[in-house]
Formats: sequence, structure tokens, C-alpha cells
Amino acid sequence: DTAVSQTPKYLVTQMGNDKSIKCEQNLGHDTMYWYKQDSKKFLKIMFSYNNKELIINETVPNRFSPKSPDKAHLNLHINSLELGDSAVYFCASSQDGQGYYGYTFGSGTRLTVV
Amino acid sequence: QKEVEQDPGPLSVPEGAIVSLNCTYSNSAFQYFMWYRQYSRKGPELLMYTYSSGNKEDGRFTAQVDKSSKYISLFIRDSQPSDSATYLCAMSKNSNSGYALNFGKGTSLLVTP
Repeated sequence: DTAVSQTPKYLVTQMGNDKSIKCEQNLGHDTMYWYKQDSKKFLKIMFSYNNKELIINETVPNRFSPKSPDKAHLNLHINSLELGDSAVYFCASSQDGQGYYGYTFGSGTRLTVV
Repeated sequence: QKEVEQDPGPLSVPEGAIVSLNCTYSNSAFQYFMWYRQYSRKGPELLMYTYSSGNKEDGRFTAQVDKSSKYISLFIRDSQPSDSATYLCAMSKNSNSGYALNFGKGTSLLVTP
């Protein structure tokens, strides 16, 4: 039973399209995150939600909008996709808002914008 | 200067060798230090977790933190081909306003039979 699951695993789309990535965790964790991993493997925080409340919102274009309908789900919607958005997007969760015990990551969504 | 620096490698060692992976950081507020392992096309998985300075051992893995030098290490003893992966260091501050892990760029390790 997957702890943090993301869909879809792969997403190929044209520039200008709008797409969503979904994430669900069944660990009972309070906090969820979106990270972006670029082609050089660097993982950078985008957003963090704690019990459905946005607590971290890094410098990310307004085209990216997270939504957390409940504490087990955190979705990412991207408007007007650009070539530079191509990356692997990871969802993660942690037991508490401080992440003292580390994160559990999903397996990633590989987004390719053509 | 990035807050967390990590040599990307690649690092290639023969099976059975001792591997040393390192990160340096600039922010003295970091208190929680972790190592993640990421296999190709998979998400990172937590390998080791350390609070503040000191050593922690788990099987073939030892994590060391030297806060005075702002330097952390991961040692892998008796390395196996299955250890071939990218190793990412990560660290965080103690913040009441929410926090996020700061990751290094990862070191790619190849253990050859």
C-alpha cells in the first residue's frame, strides 16, 4: 500500500496548456509539500501545507497553485505551461510541521513541456 | 552561495570499499541533518537522521555532524552494488513558522562488482 502516491507518473504536454498533478498520503501525516527537481537533480521547495493551511510559499510563479482539500491530499495546478516547467515534481509528507522525522516522498511526476 | 553545498560526483568505487560522502553548509541555524538515498526514477528515501553534532550508526551507515565546521558526512562500509544511487544531504532549522528541508544537489555513487 503506497504511502505517498502521485498521479500521473508521466505528463507530456504542449506549451500554454493547463495541467494538474495529484498527491495523496495514507500515513496520517499533518504536513505535505511540493518539491521541484530540475535536470541537475536539485530539489527545491515550492509549497507546504499543514492541516490544509498554506505555511510555505516560496518564490514560485503565480501560474502554480496548490490546493489541499483535506490533510491527506495536496494537488498542484499549473496554468499556461512553459518549457522551463519541465522537471520532476515530488510530493512529500511529514509527521509534523517541523519535519523532525524527515519526509516521505512520492515517486515523482515527470513533466515534459514541448 | 547556496546554503548547502554537495559535490555532485560521480563517485565510482569497487564493491567492499568504504565510501565517504560530504556536505558543507553556511547557515549556523541548521539543527536537523539528514541523508536521503534516491534511486534512478524514484523518490528520495530517508536513510539517516541526526540532531545537532555527533555520530549516528545504523548497520553499514554512519552519519557524522560537525557543527563547528558546518560539515556533515555519511560513511558507507562494505559498499554493495545495490548502494549505487544518488545521495542527498538535507538539513533544516527549528522554526515555528513552518520550515522546509534544504537539500544539497546530491552525489551520484556507483559501486562496481
